[in-house]
This record gives sequence, structure tokens and C-alpha cells, in this order.
Amino acid sequence: GAGVSQSPSNKVTEKGKDVELRCDPISGHTALYWYRQRLGQGLEFLIYFQGNSAPDKSGLPSDRFSAERTGESVSTLTIQRTQQEDSAVYLCASSYPRDREGEKLFFGSGTQLSVL
Amino acid sequence: RKEVEQDPGPFNVPEGATVAFNCTYSNSASQSFFWYRQDCRKEPKLLMSVYSSGNEDGRFTAQLNRASQYISLLIRDSKLSDSATYLCVVISSGGYQKVTFGTGTKLQVIP
Repeated sequence: GAGVSQSPSNKVTEKGKDVELRCDPISGHTALYWYRQRLGQGLEFLIYFQGNSAPDKSGLPSDRFSAERTGESVSTLTIQRTQQEDSAVYLCASSYPRDREGEKLFFGSGTQLSVL
Repeated sequence: RKEVEQDPGPFNVPEGATVAFNCTYSNSASQSFFWYRQDCRKEPKLLMSVYSSGNEDGRFTAQLNRASQYISLLIRDSKLSDSATYLCVVISSGGYQKVTFGTGTKLQVIP
């Protein structure tokens, strides 16, 4: 029923703190993607999940970034020891398996992260 | 060279004009192509798929040229509500589905 849900919608944190961002994909969507978008910039790929495994983590910018997914559903993106350059909108998208229109991504409304 | 390249614009066009955007991609094994639209401070939303034979949806026409590795989006009779950033998306599959977004082309339709 519902679309992709992300929480929180806004997060303000102090430099050096850890943050967790959550994504609830559309039910039945096995593929899940995380992107980062800085103000006025394009989408920067972070990580892709197929089911609970992550075959492509190539976009994670540093070891401060990690993500997991459980039950082929909820995913969390964790940023440790946040830096000011981490400030951005973090977007989550999900899609069906490839054999069922798996290439059409549906996005959540994002989490706006501000690191002070 | 970026995997997917777009002219960032902005394209400033008057209402009623026809405008076209191109997007080039570097991976010849790319299999699927889409255009997404992103309004200011909003998430991207699927606009239309792009098929080899070309496809049309109302005022929007999308085309794919595999030989030259580019896709295009044509908007006829531009409306103020068409003002947005248009993102080109290329999908390739090896062992898994890789989705690559272009940086987008900004369109501003002027009254």
C-alpha cells in the first residue's frame, strides 16, 4: 500500500556524533538503494541491497558509513563520527525483482541530515 | 569519463516551446533506460521508460540511440509545471542490477 518511508525526515546532529537513518521499502520490493544528494548536486550512489545482501557497496564514501538490511525489509544507514561534509539529503529507493518491473525505482522523501 | 552525462543547463524556455535534452552513457552493455523528474527539494519520480523503438507519453517523447549511446527526451508545448530537473537513468546488469543516475538537466519554463 504505502510508498517508501524514511525516518527521520530531518536530523540535526553535532560533529562527531553517530546517526542512524531508516528506510522502509514498499512491501515486496526486494531491491533497495541508498543515495546521497548534496545541495544543488546530483544523486550519489551509496549502496545496493538485493534481499538482505549487499552486492554493491562501492559507493560508501568511507568506513564511517555502513548499512544493513534485515528480513528483506527495513534498512538502516549508519554514519559514525559525522563530519560537516556528511550534510546532505539521504534518499532511499526500492524496486521489485528484476523479472517484475524490477528496474523502476520508487523513492522515499529522504532524510535531510545537517551536521553542525 | 562519467558513466552517464547530461548537460546541467539550466534550459530557460518560454511556455509553449519545444525543448530537448540528451544524455550519453559510456557502458555499451547498458540494458534499460529511464527518465526521472525531480522537483526542487523533492525526491525523484519516474517520468517514463525509454524503449529502442522510441516512445511517447502525451507531450513527452523519449528515444534511444544504442549505436551512439545516447537517449533523449523531447517536451512539446512546455508548461510552467514542467519546470524541474530531469534525470537520465541507465541500468546495466552483470550479476546484479546497477542503476546509474545522471546529474540532471534543469528546465525552467518562463511565462
